[in-house]
Amino acid sequence: NAGVTQTPKFQVLKTGQSMTLQCAQDMNHNSMYWYRQDPGMGLRLIYYSASEGTTDKGEVPNGYNVSRLNKREFSLRLESAAPSQTSVYFCASSLLRSNQPQHFGDGTRLSIL
Amino acid sequence: AQKITQTQPGMFVQEKEAVTLDCTYDTSDPSYGLFWYKQPSSGEMIFLIYQGSYDQQNATEGRYSLNFQKARKSANLVISASQLGDSAMYFCAMREENTGNQFYFGTGTSLTVIP
Repeated sequence: NAGVTQTPKFQVLKTGQSMTLQCAQDMNHNSMYWYRQDPGMGLRLIYYSASEGTTDKGEVPNGYNVSRLNKREFSLRLESAAPSQTSVYFCASSLLRSNQPQHFGDGTRLSIL
Repeated sequence: AQKITQTQPGMFVQEKEAVTLDCTYDTSDPSYGLFWYKQPSSGEMIFLIYQGSYDQQNATEGRYSLNFQKARKSANLVISASQLGDSAMYFCAMREENTGNQFYFGTGTSLTVIP
């Protein structure tokens, strides 16, 4: 079972470049999420999508945009990358019930030079 | 205010001993779920255990159990008979029914199991 698939796994960008992180899930989940993880700060929510067609800002949305392409796919775009966006990015998905956990992708390690 | 607080940045435990990782939470929603995740050095996030706010009994999953004290708003993870493979970061998380789309994570506890 694939679960949640993120691409790419690693990426190095120069300041000012743009890129899109891709995420797809095959578990028929309603909700999808993008987090960033920095040392000592746990997981911080960037954007989430409760269901297909909706997106909402999380704790740290500045500098990012998202697209919920369909039920399976949720992409994260950096329009003009900055060194402060160097981080590990995780995509997650879940069913829309409070007793359901999130399932995570393996993460994307992104470095901005 | 922080929704989830994990006050132990790092913990050490002797192999085969039990260890408790602390987690307190803050919510006014009467219906919520509490989750623990493990993140080994390889980086993936692994779901361990779930406790619902209305559950009468503490959740257990193999060597993992959750010491749920609702009045104190704490949901501590207990790992029994620690193994070297338990060395990892552990995150506590909460999901509220009325804002059920978001998960709130603590900053994590780094557990090291000593042989």
